[in-house]
Amino acid sequence: EAQVTQNPRYLITVTGKKLTVTCSQNMNHEYMSWYRQDPGLGLRQIYYSMNVEVTDKGDVPEGYKVSRKEKRNFPLILESPSPNQTSLYFCASSFHRMEFFGPGTRLTVL
Amino acid sequence: AQKVTQAQTEISVVEKEDVTLDCVYETRDTTYYLFWYKQPPSGELVFLIRRNSFDEQNEISGRYSWNFQKSTSSFNFTITASQVVDSAVYFCALRGWGGSNYKLTFGKGTLLTVNP
Repeated sequence: EAQVTQNPRYLITVTGKKLTVTCSQNMNHEYMSWYRQDPGLGLRQIYYSMNVEVTDKGDVPEGYKVSRKEKRNFPLILESPSPNQTSLYFCASSFHRMEFFGPGTRLTVL
Repeated sequence: AQKVTQAQTEISVVEKEDVTLDCVYETRDTTYYLFWYKQPPSGELVFLIRRNSFDEQNEISGRYSWNFQKSTSSFNFTITASQVVDSAVYFCALRGWGGSNYKLTFGKGTLLTVNP
């Protein structure tokens, strides 16, 4: 089944404890991205990747890192999470201008 | 820069009423794509429709219909005979042609509550 998977789906952590949210797609898509969703703000792009080893900042990149070593994986790294990064995160891959979203990761930073 | 405006933050209707969700967009691209997504309480994003800028035909899918008007930069979504299961947050989104405009730019969403 063609899909985008994210792990974990839910995470509660504490300020400053490094974490990684994994994202994987099995559709061989070149373009992948991360979005965060906050109440009243909609979804905003954090980072995107046009292909392996090619990444760039989206609208809200502060406090996040990404890497794209393989086409299928695009992990989101929070090296020192803070409470303002509490949010719902979506990974997505794109093909022919269609976006395929993962199920979301609900992150709480205490 | 691209922008999507959903002026209605929340809408509440009674079952079987028709409801229209408004979406106004801004872009300098001549080729672009517009989307609607539904986000039910469970949180996933459900794709509803994609429309490219060259296709201004209105579309109907069951109880759902979409009205795309380039002259007013609007892409409105109507649910006919609403049902409780339509209760969700609805997002309108815009994708430009390329470069930094390729990303999906979302509106802030409209929370639709359909009461029995």
